[in-house]
Amino acid sequence: QITLKGSGPTLVKPTQTLTLTCTFSGFSLSTSGVGVGWIRQPPGKALQWLALIYWDDDKRYSPSLKSRLTITKDTSKNQVVLTMTNMDPVDTATYYCAHRNYRGSFDSWGQGTLVTVSS
Amino acid sequence: QSVLTQPPSVSGAPGQRVTISCTGGSSNIGAGYDVHWYQQLPGTAPKVLNQGNTNRPSGVPDRFSGSKSGTSASLAISGLQAEDEADYYCQSFDISLSGYVFGTGTKVTVL
Repeated sequence: QITLKGSGPTLVKPTQTLTLTCTFSGFSLSTSGVGVGWIRQPPGKALQWLALIYWDDDKRYSPSLKSRLTITKDTSKNQVVLTMTNMDPVDTATYYCAHRNYRGSFDSWGQGTLVTVSS
Repeated sequence: QSVLTQPPSVSGAPGQRVTISCTGGSSNIGAGYDVHWYQQLPGTAPKVLNQGNTNRPSGVPDRFSGSKSGTSASLAISGLQAEDEADYYCQSFDISLSGYVFGTGTKVTVL
């Protein structure tokens, strides 16, 4: 059974850097075809894909946020970390991590972390 | 803004069939990338309903069926039930963006 759990601060100040950690179990990020992605959802709005890291350490980012995002993995700890710099109130959202399977879908999701950006 | 466009809302009476469209372009759905569908109940994380255009994960009722043609895809819900009231999203990959894309989302209301 695949499980993912995101963790990180629920409140950050404008201009600060957000660091979110996804701790997972039930799969290995060394398995071919597998990835872990981050998706966010502002209150009352649609899902927005942010970043994804593949089993071979290939990384993809949303073009509109690429300059602010960094995604890394620690296979031995079963963790994926996302950092987002220069946070702004418009970045207030629920941030989800999710398992990407070989079909390219996100078939298991973490519970989500609501991050509020406010001074 | 999203490159996959969905109608903001659809509604139907219990037992009816509703269809949600997902319109993309030549760099995503039209390029042959699979379309996946998610259901998001209020206050919960999305759940995959249909993946690889037509494949239902185990446990998903066969009332949910996906299809794809050209630069568009659709999710049909037959025998609509009150528990189907939720937000639905399509998702694919876009070669021009070199990344994943979600649709604009559709709210399904059971009358």
